[in-house]
Amino acid sequence: EVHLGESGGGLVQPGGSLRLSCVASGFTFSAHWMTWVRQAPGKGPEWVGNIKEDGSAKYYVDSVKGRFTISRDNAKNSLYLQMTDLRAEDTAVYYCARDLPGYGAYGVWGQGTLVTVSS
Amino acid sequence: QSALTQPRSVSGSPGQSVTISCTGTSSDVGHYNYVSWYQQHPGKAPKLMIYEVTKRPSGVPDRFSGSKSGTTASLTISGLRAEDEADYYCCSYAGRHTVFGGGTTLTVL
Repeated sequence: EVHLGESGGGLVQPGGSLRLSCVASGFTFSAHWMTWVRQAPGKGPEWVGNIKEDGSAKYYVDSVKGRFTISRDNAKNSLYLQMTDLRAEDTAVYYCARDLPGYGAYGVWGQGTLVTVSS
Repeated sequence: QSALTQPRSVSGSPGQSVTISCTGTSSDVGHYNYVSWYQQHPGKAPKLMIYEVTKRPSGVPDRFSGSKSGTTASLTISGLRAEDEADYYCCSYAGRHTVFGGGTTLTVL
């Protein structure tokens, strides 16, 4: 069965850092672009960024450029989101998702992990 | 990187059809045939219902269909069922990034 599982969320103070992980199973992880999507409470999803199959290309939404870094370890079937200089507006459930071939469609999602930025 | 525009809510009775619109710009919906739609029930992750404007993933009922005209995409759900009550989000590729809509709550009366 295809599965994605996020971990690493929690409560962090403004200006702090957090690293999210996403472990994949049931498919060839190294053959897919992967994406992070977040959803603030009561809001629609927001695309955060994505990473190419081999990690050679990464793209980010403007609001996180310079603060968030996406990486992957294909040997461990794992995707990561390193978040620094966190702000209240980064509070959201963070999902990892598997890209469909093509652009901008996500066929497999994890259950999400909640990040709360508050003092 | 502005969000796509969707109506806040739509409603319909069981068996009826509803259409949800999604308005973007010439840089996203109007430029690429990479519009997707997601269904989200409370407390759950989004589920892909339509991709590349009109295609349905395996397992999605053919009651769900998508279309696009200019800078507006649409999701039509025919033969409404109680389990269709959920939030629906559109999404469009916009050149090295992706943008989502604000969401539409579908109420089945």
